[in-house]
Amino acid sequence: NAGVTQTPKFRVLKTGQSMTLLCAQDMNHEYMYWYRQDPGMGLRLIHYSVGEGTTAKGEVPDGYNVSRLKKQNFLLGLESAAPSQTSVYFCASSYSRKNQPQHFGDGTRLSIL
Amino acid sequence: GESVGLHLPTLSVQEGDNSIINCAYSNSASDYFIWYKQESGKGPQFIIDIRSNMDKRQGQRVTVLLNKTVKHLSLQIAATQPGDSAVYFCAENSQAGTALIFGKGTTLSVSS
Repeated sequence: NAGVTQTPKFRVLKTGQSMTLLCAQDMNHEYMYWYRQDPGMGLRLIHYSVGEGTTAKGEVPDGYNVSRLKKQNFLLGLESAAPSQTSVYFCASSYSRKNQPQHFGDGTRLSIL
Repeated sequence: GESVGLHLPTLSVQEGDNSIINCAYSNSASDYFIWYKQESGKGPQFIIDIRSNMDKRQGQRVTVLLNKTVKHLSLQIAATQPGDSAVYFCAENSQAGTALIFGKGTTLSVSS
């Protein structure tokens, strides 16, 4: 009964380093999303996917890339990390795009020095 | 533009009281709304949702009210418990239906 699982839970990077955040869901959901959460800013959508092999930009996509090679996995990449990308990153999934609740993982806390 | 907000950033109540958390939305075309609870160090947890063709929906100890006339959404928690202490977010389905738009959250503190 895992739901949405995010790895790693914590990470510290230096400016310019790259890394990939992994999201896995076991609910057979078509739609997956990556958000970032910053103090006072709420949750903001970075990228999303409407199915295997598809990706699309959200509200704040710059500096990030994503891939959805398998239905159950959604990867978020930072090619050259910047201090402004210090945040808590949440992955979510939903059965459909419209009028369905999104189910969230417990987040990845990323600090970039 | 589309935005969802909450009236108060913090709310403090006594254990056993009823809590009401409010949310105002600006997009009259939004037709789906959700309340999430987020505990420290955790991801948002789905509480209850409501579609725009409804005015009220009840769950276990929670009730969501939707007033489309004034574009207002509220979450009522009955007999609030210390375990209800968390940040509560409302969210709406955007016009394009791509993803949810979240408000900034209300921190509920329950003292015993």
